[in-house]
Amino acid sequence: EPEVTQTPSHQVTQMGQEVILRCVPISNHLYFYWYRQILGQKVEFLVSFYNNEISEKSEIFDDQFSVERPDGSNFTLKIRSTKLEDSAMYFCASSDQGPPSGNTIYFGEGSWLTVV
Amino acid sequence: GENVEQHPSTLSVQEGDSAVIKCTYSDSASNYFPWYKQELGKGPQLIIDIRSNVGEKKDQRIAVTLNKTAKHFSLHITETQPEDSAVYFCAASNTNAGKSTFGDGTTLTVKP
Repeated sequence: EPEVTQTPSHQVTQMGQEVILRCVPISNHLYFYWYRQILGQKVEFLVSFYNNEISEKSEIFDDQFSVERPDGSNFTLKIRSTKLEDSAMYFCASSDQGPPSGNTIYFGEGSWLTVV
Repeated sequence: GENVEQHPSTLSVQEGDSAVIKCTYSDSASNYFPWYKQELGKGPQLIIDIRSNVGEKKDQRIAVTLNKTAKHFSLHITETQPEDSAVYFCAASNTNAGKSTFGDGTTLTVKP
């Protein structure tokens, strides 16, 4: 069964450092998302991406965050200058349909980011 | 924006019993309601979803009901098994937007 894959599974980084989290969405999907989950809390939307541009972003997704689809298969989330409160599990997701047809999204296994 | 509340936060049932998890949402424009199961260390996995033009949907032991007037929807798991133990999240979205708003999650424990 096709799946969303993410790397790395776990990364530890120093506060202030840049981090890039990588994702390979399901191959025929056109809509891509990043969500995060702070330990023990709910899953929170960060950003959606379609046709090489951001469709929607949350208030969490401030100027230190950026997303990119550098080639036909990868989708990346960059955190420019990490803060302690960025420690969380980051989930990439994709869907083959977007608004208004429906958005059943499929999640990857997550990248656990620890900022020290 | 949308706000989703989920209850209970923890639920413990005996194997074979039924489990019910309830969610309410605030945005009347929401029209798509997925349920996810998350096992420890893994990403959320879609288990069932319902759209606003349907009141109930069933898939084997899992069913979801939706009351648009009251803005609430529920997950029903019958004949629970220990492997159903996980965290379950409800979510709500407007299919004219690109994001889902999640509930806080329910930790379901099924005791053998």
